[in-house]
Amino acid sequence: GQNIDQPTEMTATEGAIVQINCTYQTSGFNGLFWYQQHAGEAPTFLSYNVLDGLEEKGRFSSFLSRSKGYSYLLLKELQMKDSASYLCAVLDSNYQLIWGAGTKLIIKP
Amino acid sequence: GAVVSQHPSRVICKSGTSVKIECRSLDFQATTMFWYRQFPKKSLMLMATSNEGSKATYEQGVEKDKFLINHASLTLSTLTVTSAHPEDSSFYICSAPRGDSYEQYFGPGTRLTVT
Repeated sequence: GQNIDQPTEMTATEGAIVQINCTYQTSGFNGLFWYQQHAGEAPTFLSYNVLDGLEEKGRFSSFLSRSKGYSYLLLKELQMKDSASYLCAVLDSNYQLIWGAGTKLIIKP
Repeated sequence: GAVVSQHPSRVICKSGTSVKIECRSLDFQATTMFWYRQFPKKSLMLMATSNEGSKATYEQGVEKDKFLINHASLTLSTLTVTSAHPEDSSFYICSAPRGDSYEQYFGPGTRLTVT
């Protein structure tokens, strides 16, 4: 079966750095997405990785290792507004998005 | 700005009635749109893929006679929850890929409460 694992919840301090991990087992791979979702709102796109390595975009970076079936989202200089759920999703061989359950990130002052 | 809109954002209805939710792509054409539902603290669950000009493709376990999908044009897909029951109460979200990109642009979601 297809499976995406990410921690249920993480807590970090304002101004700090946090890394949210995602491991996946899917039938084929055509890229991995990270989305941010605030409570009661729709997800918004953060990043897309299809090749191994680190993609940096401002305070957010996303890393992918296809051989390990592993990705992480790195958030630097955390702000209170970063409190949200972070969803990992993989595009499988049929170009269907397989979603993880999301990681709820709590930022404390 | 928003590229996918959804209407209504919130709706409360009585058991047994039907509710229609609209999803529109605002500045691009979408031959495919996706409908999800999300329970509190749970991940997105794909319900169906809406295809312009043809029948929707439903995921296993989703009743197509209960969740009617119509992709009337290249910018509009509708989801009708028929004979709604309290267990249909959920957050319904649509999304659409733009152009050749696989990135999904999500609508703002519709909170359905069935009393």
